[in-house]
Amino acid sequence: DAKTTQPPSMDCAEGRAANLPCNHSTISGNEYVYWYRQIHSQGPQYIIHGLKNNETNEMASLIITEDRKSSTLILPHATLRDTAVYYCIVRVEPGGSYIPTFGRGTSLIVHP
Amino acid sequence: DAGITQSPRYKITETGRQVTLMCHQTWSHSYMFWYRQDLGHGLRLIYYSAAADITDKGEVPDGYVVSRSKTENFPLTLESATRSQTSVYFCASSAFRTNEKLFFGSGTQLSVL
Repeated sequence: DAKTTQPPSMDCAEGRAANLPCNHSTISGNEYVYWYRQIHSQGPQYIIHGLKNNETNEMASLIITEDRKSSTLILPHATLRDTAVYYCIVRVEPGGSYIPTFGRGTSLIVHP
Repeated sequence: DAGITQSPRYKITETGRQVTLMCHQTWSHSYMFWYRQDLGHGLRLIYYSAAADITDKGEVPDGYVVSRSKTENFPLTLESATRSQTSVYFCASSAFRTNEKLFFGSGTQLSVL
């Protein structure tokens, strides 16, 4: 299993970029990095995923280091509504099964 | 996303009772998952299913039973509820293709008294 490590909490000023790091030093060559977020008491929501190259969508950008041992989720202009718990996971696939395993994530607080 | 629904939204039960949490998805996704979420533990996988009639244990399966007779439904049963099973339960689904994202339901908040 490629475990992930994230800081338990971070804070960010509204309008600034929020940079959330994730360490996945044991990731395998064919494992993707996924990011989800969970706004209070709701089900987690998909944000973005990537393999090697940097990715961007309407929600965020994902920067993956060249050695793939870590990644950073970037919310370019954080708003108060981005306050949530952010999870970084990698695809675990023993025996052909797809088992997404979540850690405790990073609690991001965006303040005015 | 209205494609995956959980019921009930809230449930209070007593120790020793049987409780079934329902999960229904409309996308015909192959994979379905049950997670529980407790303070300090994040999301922990209880059971998952790769297809109808195929289920397997996750990280914390003890005390739970699942079935998947139809692709769209994946009920989770607590055969004899205990207070330690008080938690928020989330169901999720994803397509079979590799690297497909998960879609989560809104959760069921279960209290066992």
